[in-house]
Amino acid sequence: DIVVTQSPDSLAVSLGERATINCKSSQSVLLRSSSKNYLAWYQQKPGQPPKLLIYWASTRESGVPDRFSGSGSGTDFTLTISTLQAEDVAVYYCQQYYLAPLTFGGGTKVEIK
Amino acid sequence: EVDLVESGGGLVQPGRSLRLSCTASGLTFEDYALSWFRQAPGKGLEWVGFIRSKAYGAGEAIQYAASVQGRVTISRDDSKSTAYLQMNSLKTEDTAVYYCTRSGDDYNFWLDSWGQGALVTVSS
Repeated sequence: DIVVTQSPDSLAVSLGERATINCKSSQSVLLRSSSKNYLAWYQQKPGQPPKLLIYWASTRESGVPDRFSGSGSGTDFTLTISTLQAEDVAVYYCQQYYLAPLTFGGGTKVEIK
Repeated sequence: EVDLVESGGGLVQPGRSLRLSCTASGLTFEDYALSWFRQAPGKGLEWVGFIRSKAYGAGEAIQYAASVQGRVTISRDDSKSTAYLQMNSLKTEDTAVYYCTRSGDDYNFWLDSWGQGALVTVSS
């Protein structure tokens, strides 16, 4: 199984500042033939299901604000919130879909400082 | 707009069975793979299994997590736009909110639509 590890577990960021979340997979999720990284990012607010933010490691889902961006390749990935808004308080998860079983990181809780 | 609605959750005793349903609207149901995930109280997300569309063919069309293999069956009825999660021999550790999701396609399992979830509580 591909183990996905996120860091940090939580972070507190001031409004308008940058938030950076890291995600590392135990093996590469890059399919070289297509140059695509099989990694997605989700946002989950309390009492709600997760919401897709990013897929293919850096493709923003329709309707997702452009302050959210994804980067990285192979085994190391980053989700960046460029200017944190109050509505961005949530838990963020990365997920690999390179191989079954589909696996998630443990989540990163983002709060306002 | 895609809408996925889970039903069938509730309180069940250990060792008993339960079937969850996921009814979809706003999409051509037969074209998509459907996946089930769960989230134990206060915990992270865990994949349960998925069922691909009939267009995918027979091989590896349905896959399950090791933690539920042998106790869970996923099926679908495209005529009813509904997917099912049959869970048998339930354990207390199966207590969770169960989510039905739609995948990008049969090969690419990012989850772009999620239901609101169905709470399953396994307790005596």
